[in-house]
Amino acid sequence: EAEVAQSPRYKITEKSQAVAFWCDPISGHATLYWYRQILGQGPELLVQFQDESVVDDSQLPKDRFSAERLKGVDSTLKIQPAELGDSAMYLCASSFDFGNYNEQFFGPGTRLTVL
Amino acid sequence: GQQLNQSPQSMFIQEGEDVSMNCTSSSIFNTWLWYKQDPGEGPVLLIALYKAGELTSNGRLTAQFGITRKDSFLNISASIPSDVGIYFCAGQQSNYKLTFGKGTLLTVNP
Repeated sequence: EAEVAQSPRYKITEKSQAVAFWCDPISGHATLYWYRQILGQGPELLVQFQDESVVDDSQLPKDRFSAERLKGVDSTLKIQPAELGDSAMYLCASSFDFGNYNEQFFGPGTRLTVL
Repeated sequence: GQQLNQSPQSMFIQEGEDVSMNCTSSSIFNTWLWYKQDPGEGPVLLIALYKAGELTSNGRLTAQFGITRKDSFLNISASIPSDVGIYFCAGQQSNYKLTFGKGTLLTVNP
């Protein structure tokens, strides 16, 4: 069964360090999303890609966060420098969009702890 | 930003009981989705609803898209221990952006 892959699963870093997360969407899915989920909350969208183009990054803290999807397939989310408040689960999702039908499938996530 | 009000926040039930949870919003959504999340994992899609009034089942799960397009509910019948987890509703707009509720934590006592 096709799945969204993410790595690493867990990351512990010290504040002011740089971290990077990787996502490989389900093959054929043109749309890719990065979400941040704080403990006890639902996921919140950080950035949405359509192929290699950013569709929505209005909630991405651009002073420290960056995301790219250079070839329109896999994607990297980077935080530099990391802050204590960045500790959260970072989830990647992908979808195959057909008209109104857009079911987003999530990866297992990367749990980030900033010390 | 948009808010989804999901209730209840948590439920503790006995195995075999039925469960109901719901989501309401002040905004209209084109699609409602229900996800389940196990600890340390990503959300798994359970049911997707695309039309107002639509009632859809997936095994023991049944969900409905409210007629006003501002609400949805999820029912689980004859609960079993593996139903334990956090259930999230999510409303989707025309730009495919998902807005999630805060989740309902379900605990099933064997």
